[in-house]
Amino acid sequence: KAGVTQTPRYLIKTRGQQVTLSCSPISGHRSVSWYQQTPGQGLQFLFEYFSETQRNKGNFPGRFSGRQFSNSRSEMNVSTLELGDSALYLCASSYSGGGTNEKLFFGSGTQLSVL
Amino acid sequence: QKEVEQNSGPLSVPEGAIASLNCTYSDRGSQSFFWYRQYSGKSPELIMSIYSNGDKEDGRFTAQLNKASQYVSLLIRDSQPSDSATYLCAVSLLSGGGADGLTFGKGTHLIIQP
Repeated sequence: KAGVTQTPRYLIKTRGQQVTLSCSPISGHRSVSWYQQTPGQGLQFLFEYFSETQRNKGNFPGRFSGRQFSNSRSEMNVSTLELGDSALYLCASSYSGGGTNEKLFFGSGTQLSVL
Repeated sequence: QKEVEQNSGPLSVPEGAIASLNCTYSDRGSQSFFWYRQYSGKSPELIMSIYSNGDKEDGRFTAQLNKASQYVSLLIRDSQPSDSATYLCAVSLLSGGGADGLTFGKGTHLIIQP
């Protein structure tokens, strides 16, 4: 069974640009979560999607948005990039996101550098 | 503001000894608790989850939860060099897998010395 796939693996952008990151969950998983990881702040929750609907949202500005498609694939968009957006963006999937014994499986991440 | 606190380390433990990792959390409403392991340059991997007070054992790993003290710990017995990694404590307000959004600590860097 293929794991969580994130593309691209690396991205370099300049301030003010926008970026779209992609995540394909494990087959059969319908919940997709996004996290930002930086050395200073650690792992921080961005949002979670289930059945094409955003169910949960972290404390990030509106420049960070996402969506989920009918095949459960998800995209995350960051507009008007700032230097502080440089981070590893991790996607995680689970079957429904609500079961006690469910596990979150993380992808390898997209390393975004904003110059 | 939900907070999860961990000692950043590094925590150095001799091979074969018990490694003890600790975590405290601020929100008394937290229901689910997780330990993730993250090797350098890799993504986090879930190694233990615990939902009720007491101990939960899985192989060489034991998770301990004390909700009254808002304290979670992870014990690694017979530590191996391959256990060297950053260990992340995470909590969720819901009784579930954490898709509602986990709050992570910044991790403890564990080094197992051969």
